[in-house]
Amino acid sequence: EVQLVESGGGLVQPGGSLRLSCAASGFTFSSYDMHWVRQATGKGLEWVSAIGTAGDPYYPGSVKGRFTISRENAKNSLYLQMNSLRAGDTAVYYCARAPEGATYFDYWGQGTLVTVSS
Amino acid sequence: DIQMTQSPSSLSSSVGDRVTITCRASESISSYLSWYQQKPGKAPKLLIYAASTLQSGVPSRFSGSGSGTEFTLTISSLQPEDFATYYCQQGFTFGPGTKVDIK
Repeated sequence: EVQLVESGGGLVQPGGSLRLSCAASGFTFSSYDMHWVRQATGKGLEWVSAIGTAGDPYYPGSVKGRFTISRENAKNSLYLQMNSLRAGDTAVYYCARAPEGATYFDYWGQGTLVTVSS
Repeated sequence: DIQMTQSPSSLSSSVGDRVTITCRASESISSYLSWYQQKPGKAPKLLIYAASTLQSGVPSRFSGSGSGTEFTLTISSLQPEDFATYYCQQGFTFGPGTKVDIK
């Protein structure tokens, strides 16, 4: 059974940093692209970052230069290092799996809440 | 950037109704369109990808169609467990969502 379990969320002050983790199981982690998608309370879905099987990262303009996605295939783990956090980054962060080269997400984790507030 | 719109933004329907949700792209995206269902407090669930391919395990009452700039998600006979918010997605861009609730 495919499982994605996020951790690392919490309360952080504006300008602070946080590192999210996603533990994957039930599939060959190294063979899939992995993504982070976030959702502010009562709002829609926003793609945050992606990393391909070769470790190539992708970001939207809203987080580029502040967020860094990485993966550790030996540990079946995905990470998101978030720096210079702003109130607008407050959201539930989901990790999601995508078949290599595909832009649809076939499995999602349960999400971890990040709150940026003083 | 390609913009995605959905209509309606919300709808009220009864169990057994046929429901259609429309997603439009600001320019042609061929068939690179996916649909997700999200229930409150839960992660999104993939329903359809490549505009019309049903994800494994998804009931056959869900179907997708369209290409180019206009796509539809149809629920042939709405069931109690289908009351949720539905999102379309092109590339890494999601539509704003359509909330389906009980009439």
